[in-house]
Amino acid sequence: SAVISQKPSRDICQRGTSLTIQCQVDSQVTMMFWYRQQPGQSLTLIATANQGSEATYESGFVIDKFPISRPNLTFSTLTVSNLSPEDSSIYLCSVLGQGVGTQYFGPGTRLLVL
Amino acid sequence: SQELEQSPQSLIVQEGKNLTINCTSSKTLYGLYWYKQKYGEGLIFLMMLQKGGEEKSHEKITAKLDEKKQQSSLHITASQPSHAGIYLCGADRFSSGSARQLTFGSGTQLTVLP
Repeated sequence: SAVISQKPSRDICQRGTSLTIQCQVDSQVTMMFWYRQQPGQSLTLIATANQGSEATYESGFVIDKFPISRPNLTFSTLTVSNLSPEDSSIYLCSVLGQGVGTQYFGPGTRLLVL
Repeated sequence: SQELEQSPQSLIVQEGKNLTINCTSSKTLYGLYWYKQKYGEGLIFLMMLQKGGEEKSHEKITAKLDEKKQQSSLHITASQPSHAGIYLCGADRFSSGSARQLTFGSGTQLTVLP
């Protein structure tokens, strides 16, 4: 199984600022995914990040608000820009496992925007 | 777009009791994933089902995918406090299954009373 770490684990930010979340995987992976889990709700896919190409965003998510970097096969960052209280969520990165049908998630970054 | 409905939304059982959580899809399921999430933690992959009628077990947890591939159930036998958490079902968004971009149900909050 893949071991995924995220930094920071939690943060409290002021509205209008930005937060960059880091995701590190212990093995090389082609595709990494960023999900958001708003309070009391399930996970929603934000974007798919491939190394060497632009991230692919889901409907309702735009690059200006959620810029993503993928500099190599083990690392990615998600920035949440111009924060508002509605951005308060848990943000999780995810990767595909080696076995068929396996997908692993990081521990999440809990963001609170005041 | 595919929607997943989970029932019940929350469940409180006495330790030692059996329980079942259901996940129903509006479309045919090409891959159905079960995860467990504890507060403040990431998602723990439990199992994945692909074939109609398939059944898998992990310790005291058994999951089934019905023949029509539109419903899955997760059954816990002789529940323990360690089983407490949020159970999420997720579905592959693409029939090829290669992208592994998941749509998630709303989750079932399980509490096991000692």
